[in-house]
Amino acid sequence: RKEVEQDPGPFNVPEGATVAFNCTYSNSASQSFFWYRQDCRKEPKLLMSVYSSGNEDGRFTAQLNRASQYISLLIRDSKLSDSATYLCVVNRGNGQNFVFGPGTRLSVLP
Amino acid sequence: DARVTQTPRHKVTEMGQEVTMRCQPILGHNTVFWYRQTMMQGLELLAYFRNRAPLDDSGMPKDRFSAEMPDATLATLKIQPSEPRDSAVYFCASGRGAGYEQYFGPGTRLTVT
Repeated sequence: RKEVEQDPGPFNVPEGATVAFNCTYSNSASQSFFWYRQDCRKEPKLLMSVYSSGNEDGRFTAQLNRASQYISLLIRDSKLSDSATYLCVVNRGNGQNFVFGPGTRLSVLP
Repeated sequence: DARVTQTPRHKVTEMGQEVTMRCQPILGHNTVFWYRQTMMQGLELLAYFRNRAPLDDSGMPKDRFSAEMPDATLATLKIQPSEPRDSAVYFCASGRGAGYEQYFGPGTRLTVT
């Protein structure tokens, strides 16, 4: 089992739809969590950090459930420009490195 | 707007040649990461530095890869000799410290023929 797992995707949704991505992690000592997006042939870019019980940034809401070792990303009112691969990232803490999930690809269709 | 820079952006070389990739982390960041990304494997961590000291290079093939930080403004990743299976995009990322978010450079797209 991989340390960080994500919905396999791809997700194809119409403009304006609400879409949710799920991510689970196996290391209970993990301390910080992030969502990145990666466009085709580009570098990953930070979308949101996820702290404590979660946070919201405009149309994006991230939730963290430490008991279930689960993180989610909700995108409301999808735009064409949201089409990308979304990467769940977990930091193990104690100065250790980050672990990236395999990513979930989203295509928002006109 | 501070950014991580990487050079070269593209590199095509023949098998057996040495390849050197360079990264300038964001000023003030004390952690630097090297990743490799392929379609098949996704993002793999190759090496991780904090305050210029290597903390984890377990993901790096030691016989041909080496990573260094000669100073706080420069990180290098070398492959010698290169092989076709090394063809990938190599990303450098930097961060403010353990647990903080990372910021990625644009990557070096390496093709080994």
